[in-house]
Amino acid sequence: GAVVSQHPSRVICKSGTSVKIECRSLDFQATTMFWYRQFPKQSLMLMATSNEGSKATYEQGVEKDKFLINHASLTLSTLTVTSAHPEDSSFYICSAGKPGYEQYFGPGTRLTVT
Amino acid sequence: AQSVSQHNHHVILSEAASLELGCNYSYGGTVNLFWYVQYPGQHLQLLLKYFSGDPLVKGIKGFEAEFIKSKFSFNLRKPSVQWSDTAEYFCARGDDYKLSFGAGTTVTVRA
Repeated sequence: GAVVSQHPSRVICKSGTSVKIECRSLDFQATTMFWYRQFPKQSLMLMATSNEGSKATYEQGVEKDKFLINHASLTLSTLTVTSAHPEDSSFYICSAGKPGYEQYFGPGTRLTVT
Repeated sequence: AQSVSQHNHHVILSEAASLELGCNYSYGGTVNLFWYVQYPGQHLQLLLKYFSGDPLVKGIKGFEAEFIKSKFSFNLRKPSVQWSDTAEYFCARGDDYKLSFGAGTTVTVRA
């Protein structure tokens, strides 16, 4: 299967600072990447869909100015959590999509905001 | 919005026991269904998927799922589990190339 990496795997930041999370598809070109958020013992919630070279499409209730997504190339998408607050602490997972609903998931990034 | 629901939150069973996890999907729209597994500390992996055709779908690691349209269900099964099947299992539905996940079921297999 395809390999998707995320960096960093864990990050701790102070309230009010911004954090950038990278998602890379290592062995295929992904025209679409997805960002999810997973709360403890809960399911994955889709935050946004990003297509290479265009603006991301955010799900209802997700603040686009707070969660900035950039998909500058076919192998890299970034999620920046701006002015982070403790309630933004969560597990963030990206996936890279192939045609036909195939999505390959990254290992996730644990964000803790103190 | 399209959705899926998983009714079992935590299932505990012994090795060699049979496993069945429930998944129900909401009415309407195209039905594209998936089961994903997340082993401890690892990323989500696709077990199997159903788009159309044979309602009994075979997946990896000995898993299978049956699409029953009349029951709006897509239950996951494995005849004989192993300790290594301990994981979180997610049912998902595809809509417009996006996935909506169920709440997940934690499966603990005791040796």
